[in-house]
Amino acid sequence: DAGVTQSPTHLIKTRGQQVTLRCSPKSGHDTVSWYQQALGQGPQFIFQYYEEEERQRGNFPDRFSGHQFPNYSSELNVNALLLGDSALYLCASSLGQGWETQYFGPGTRLLVL
Amino acid sequence: DQQVKQNSPSLSVQEGRISILNCDYTNSMFDYFLWYKKYPAEGPTFLISISSIKDKNEDGRFTVFLNKSAKHLSLHIVPSQPGDSAVYFCAASAGSNYKLTFGKGTLLTVNP
Repeated sequence: DAGVTQSPTHLIKTRGQQVTLRCSPKSGHDTVSWYQQALGQGPQFIFQYYEEEERQRGNFPDRFSGHQFPNYSSELNVNALLLGDSALYLCASSLGQGWETQYFGPGTRLLVL
Repeated sequence: DQQVKQNSPSLSVQEGRISILNCDYTNSMFDYFLWYKKYPAEGPTFLISISSIKDKNEDGRFTVFLNKSAKHLSLHIVPSQPGDSAVYFCAASAGSNYKLTFGKGTLLTVNP
């Protein structure tokens, strides 16, 4: 079992560009959550997907959007990148809302120049 | 508005001694609390949790204490081992709210 995988591991973009990050959940998991972790901060909840729908959203602008596919994998899209979007983006998968079953991926490090 | 606060950015202890990591929260709607451990270049890993109906939960060397009136929880690690060196995050959720709110983390260093 590969656990939660994320791609790419690192990414460099310039302001105004768009980026897509990908996440494959742990086998058997049906729920995917995305978090942004800025340097020196804790992870901040972006949104959660379940049954291909956004179930809950944190305090992030509409520039942040996502998608969940029938195989439960997920994408995070960020449009019109700002310097402040530079962060580690973490994907977490779980079975339903079981917090103890939530596994995090290693993250994608995004740098916006 | 930081609803979950870990006021100690770092903590250093000797191997074999007790490590105590603290966490305060402001949102009285939080009813479930978790601790995660994070090594460099890895995602956070679930460590232990506690429901607001309890005041203590124990799992091996790890014990979490919850003081609801003070809106404070702590993680005790006894005895501390060098492999425990990592960043520890406190997190909380409220009812059927699906999101977790994290603190900024505390870097624990256990010296041999």
